[in-house]
Amino acid sequence: QKEVEQDPGPLSVPEGAIVSLNCTYSNSAFQYFMWYRQYSRKGPELLMYTYSSGNKEDGRFTAQVDKSSKYISLFIRDSQPSDSATYLCASIAAGNKLTFGGGTRVLVKP
Amino acid sequence: EAGVAQSPRYKIIEKRQSVAFWCNPISGHATLYWYQQILGQGPKLLIQFQNNGVVDDSQLPKDRFSAERLKGVDSTLKIQPAKLEDSAVYLCASSKLTGTEAFFGQGTRLTVV
Repeated sequence: QKEVEQDPGPLSVPEGAIVSLNCTYSNSAFQYFMWYRQYSRKGPELLMYTYSSGNKEDGRFTAQVDKSSKYISLFIRDSQPSDSATYLCASIAAGNKLTFGGGTRVLVKP
Repeated sequence: EAGVAQSPRYKIIEKRQSVAFWCNPISGHATLYWYQQILGQGPKLLIQFQNNGVVDDSQLPKDRFSAERLKGVDSTLKIQPAKLEDSAVYLCASSKLTGTEAFFGQGTRLTVV
């Protein structure tokens, strides 16, 4: 079993819709959770960084962590075609390695 | 603030040849990571440095891959000899400390033919 799991997609939504992305993880020691966006032929770009359970909002992006169910979510409001990319969730335990999920491809259609 | 720099951006080599990648992390970042990303997959950690010491290299194929981080700054990753299955993007990332936000370079796309 992989430590961080994501549905590979692709997830196709119309412009303006809410994009909902999810990850599950198995390592109870994970404390820090990140979402990265990766455009084709580019390196991953950090979108959100959260510590422990709760919500964090940044513009159109909201990240949620539920440690009791080992569930991580990212919501993108008012989606734009420029949001079309692969979204990677990642988790890390203190002093440990940064572990990624497989990524979800998102396509926002004009 | 300058980002993580990697070179070269692209490399094509024949199997059994050797290749080296270079990474310059963000200034002041103590932790440096090398990841391998195969097309359609998430990044897989190869090696993690804290300053110039190795923290984790459990997934590094040590019979062919090697990495070093001299003086706790720049790092090189070497493959010798390369195999077809090494075709991937090699990503370097850095963070101030382990557990804080990690920032990635653009990656080196390696094709082994």
